[in-house]
Amino acid sequence: SQTIHQWPATLVQPVGSPLSLECTVEGTSNPNLYWYRQAAGRGLQLLFYSVGIGQISSEVPQNLSASRPQDRQFILSSKKLLLSDSGFYLCAWTWDSSTDTQYFGPGTRLTVL
Amino acid sequence: QKEVEQDPGPLSVPEGAIVSLNCTYSNSAFQYFMWYRQYSRKGPELLMYTYSSGNKEDGRFTAQVDKSSKYISLFIRDSQPSDSATYLCALRGEGFQKLVFGTGTRLLVSP
Repeated sequence: SQTIHQWPATLVQPVGSPLSLECTVEGTSNPNLYWYRQAAGRGLQLLFYSVGIGQISSEVPQNLSASRPQDRQFILSSKKLLLSDSGFYLCAWTWDSSTDTQYFGPGTRLTVL
Repeated sequence: QKEVEQDPGPLSVPEGAIVSLNCTYSNSAFQYFMWYRQYSRKGPELLMYTYSSGNKEDGRFTAQVDKSSKYISLFIRDSQPSDSATYLCALRGEGFQKLVFGTGTRLLVSP
């Protein structure tokens, strides 16, 4: 069966510090991968998606970036965090592009102080 | 106008009640309709997936799509305290398009 992992689970970082969040998927190959941010009381905001190694599409211009160095690994990064980057970051995957039925990881709660 | 509207709740019901959760949408091109359940501080979990119109049943859960009214529903029969969570609807059109999520309805089922 397929599983998706995210780490760390919780992170507290000062403003201006760098960020690296990692997501890995097991039990599948060639998944589409997604990064979302969920702010309190708001819906899920798609940040990046990737259909293959090295292929990244950005949905929202901001100080975040994403990379996919391996088929089942997706990384979210920032060089300098802002207060507004606080939120719940979720990684998701799908293997069926026709339906785009997405399965989510456990999430990383980021607090920028 | 938002693409997807969902009442944030909270919706409070007693154990055993039938729960109705709803989303309205404005884009008639949506063809894929999903419901996710999200417990506090956890990732969303896919509950139901429906293509186009009609009903789909899975245990105590029934998903209903009315494309003429641009209205989708999730019914939960015999609700349990373990059903207490936030329920998100998600919609998509044909082709590779992003999922559009509702903001979620918080459900509280009291014993």
